[in-house]
Amino acid sequence: EVQLVESGGGLVQPGGSLRLSCAASGFTFDDYAMHWVRQAPGKGLEWVSGISWNSGRIGYADSVKGRFTISRDNPKNSLYLQMSSLRPEDTALYYCAKGFEYSTSFADYWGQGTLVTVSS
Amino acid sequence: DIQMTQSPSSLSASIGDRVTITCRASQGISNYLAWFQQKPGKAPKSLIYAASSLQSGVPSKFSGSGSGTDFTLTISSLQPEDFATYYCQQYNSYPFTFGQGTRLEIK
Repeated sequence: EVQLVESGGGLVQPGGSLRLSCAASGFTFDDYAMHWVRQAPGKGLEWVSGISWNSGRIGYADSVKGRFTISRDNPKNSLYLQMSSLRPEDTALYYCAKGFEYSTSFADYWGQGTLVTVSS
Repeated sequence: DIQMTQSPSSLSASIGDRVTITCRASQGISNYLAWFQQKPGKAPKSLIYAASSLQSGVPSKFSGSGSGTDFTLTISSLQPEDFATYYCQQYNSYPFTFGQGTRLEIK
């Protein structure tokens, strides 16, 4: 059974940094792309970033480009999102999601999310 | 970036009805289109990929069609568990983008 467990969310001041982690299990992690998707309170889904199986292909939403960095550690079955220069509009539930295949693809399994609140 | 526009934004329907949600891409995306269902307080669930392929375990009452810029999601014989918010997403090119969502409510 695919399991994705996010951690690292919390309250941070504007301009601050935070690192999200996602622990994956139940599938061969290094065979699949991974994604981060967020959802602001009461709003729709926003794709944040994606990374291919070998980190060779990475993409970001325009809203986070230059501020967020996605990475993965295949031996540790873990996905990360380093967030810096955080803004109030980054407040959201951040989902870790498994890609359908090894490169760019949609997400077929999702975690339950970790909440990030950016506020002074 | 590719913009995805869903219509309608909300929809009221009755148990047993058949409904159709549309999604339009601002440029051609071939068939790199996925549909998701999200219920309140829950993570999204993948329903359809490649515009018309049913995800494993998803009932056949859900169907998708389209290619290029225009796509549809059809749900037949609505049941109480189908009332949720539905999103389309293009995965043709980074950055991937979602539609704004369609909230399906019971009439």
